[in-house]
Amino acid sequence: GAVVSQHPSWVICKSGTSVKIECRSLDFQATTMFWYRQFPKQSLMLMATSNEGSKATYEQGVEKDKFLINHASLTLSTLTVTSAHPEDSSFYICSARDARTGLQPQHFGDGTRLSIL
Amino acid sequence: LAKTTQPISMDSYEGQEVNITCSHNNIATNDYITWYQQFPSQGPRFIIQGYKTKVTNEVASLFIPADRKSSTLSLPRVSLSDTAVYYCLVGDLGGSYIPTFGRGTSLIVHP
Repeated sequence: GAVVSQHPSWVICKSGTSVKIECRSLDFQATTMFWYRQFPKQSLMLMATSNEGSKATYEQGVEKDKFLINHASLTLSTLTVTSAHPEDSSFYICSARDARTGLQPQHFGDGTRLSIL
Repeated sequence: LAKTTQPISMDSYEGQEVNITCSHNNIATNDYITWYQQFPSQGPRFIIQGYKTKVTNEVASLFIPADRKSSTLSLPRVSLSDTAVYYCLVGDLGGSYIPTFGRGTSLIVHP
């Protein structure tokens, strides 16, 4: 079945560091991927829609200069948290689906736990 | 975008059948209903998807009434490992679908 791989699974870094998270669709091509953020005991909050070959669409309240999204190929989207601060610590999750083959569901990566010291 | 409403939490015991209902009163004609399971520190995992009536797979059943304004996820004979948060999502899979999560239902299975 469709698999979405996310890397790294866990990051700890100092405040002010930029962190890149990768999301790959392993056995299908995805023109659209989604990025979410999840705080403890809360639901997934959509941050942005990543569109292959074009600019990402950000949800209201999400700083596009803070969370840089690049979707350079049909199998890879990256989220870069620039100049990360402790309040950016969260669980980041990506998703994608194979839209070529009918009514396929979204598949999600296993998430990236980001901790900023 | 169809809004979904689920119970915040449910408790059950091992071996019991668990039914989680999701309300989606403004579901659109082309919308499908998809259920996901999420364990702590993991991404959501696809469980089942349907459009109408009943869908069954190896882990669950999905019941959708004729008006499609609600759906019920049925987990037969739950075990401790079924303790998780369950989300129902509604959207047009054939269109520009943006998967949006509600609060989900936290299911706790007791020994």
